[in-house]
Amino acid sequence: GESVGLHLPTLSVQEGDNSIINCAYSNSASDYFIWYKQESGKGPQFIIDIRSNMDKRQGQRVTVLLNKTVKHLSLQIAATQPGDSAVYFCAETSSNTGKLIFGQGTTLQVKP
Amino acid sequence: DTEVTQTPKHLVMGMTNKKSLKCEQHMGHRAMYWYKQKAKKPPELMFVYSYEKLSINESVPSRFSPECPNSSLLNLHLHALQPEDSALYLCASSQERHPRAEAFFGQGTRLTVV
Repeated sequence: GESVGLHLPTLSVQEGDNSIINCAYSNSASDYFIWYKQESGKGPQFIIDIRSNMDKRQGQRVTVLLNKTVKHLSLQIAATQPGDSAVYFCAETSSNTGKLIFGQGTTLQVKP
Repeated sequence: DTEVTQTPKHLVMGMTNKKSLKCEQHMGHRAMYWYKQKAKKPPELMFVYSYEKLSINESVPSRFSPECPNSSLLNLHLHALQPEDSALYLCASSQERHPRAEAFFGQGTRLTVV
């Protein structure tokens, strides 16, 4: 399953499938990007980050891709599990501002 | 200990009340943040403290008053709030100010203004 466009409010995937969550960021001067997961009733939790001098970074079951040309960020989750159900936010920051700015979230629903 | 602890978890206050939100971390982080999050929206930055000094105020109304008594504590004093201020208030901390360090978030205080 994949979210498209600037943001898709909800992405629904089958357990075991791969998920792709997309994000368009706004500041071409941003030099650090982070994906956060927010479960109901909790604060955002760090998943993975990537610096602007990279285009791909892999973690455990997650991969972040960065395309600076089109200011696009994506989060790929392999073998999606029910515990992955949450709202996912991309965030950007820059050395210039020192501010962490969140993009609009995508709700990931995992169907058993 | 990688926790940011916020109290209270829930708060209901009237428009004439004065209340305070508290945030504590014992990770030795020198940057602390307040964010406001409305339902189904991303967190919005309010204040940034770096080495116990206010470094960013995102044009927040004066009815919100932050305070950093020491490197482990961050408070948000509330006075004469409006119903539209009802939201989830999140505290976060990081080793240093963004962008060089990962931010850890607390669970938030769910504030309702009546």
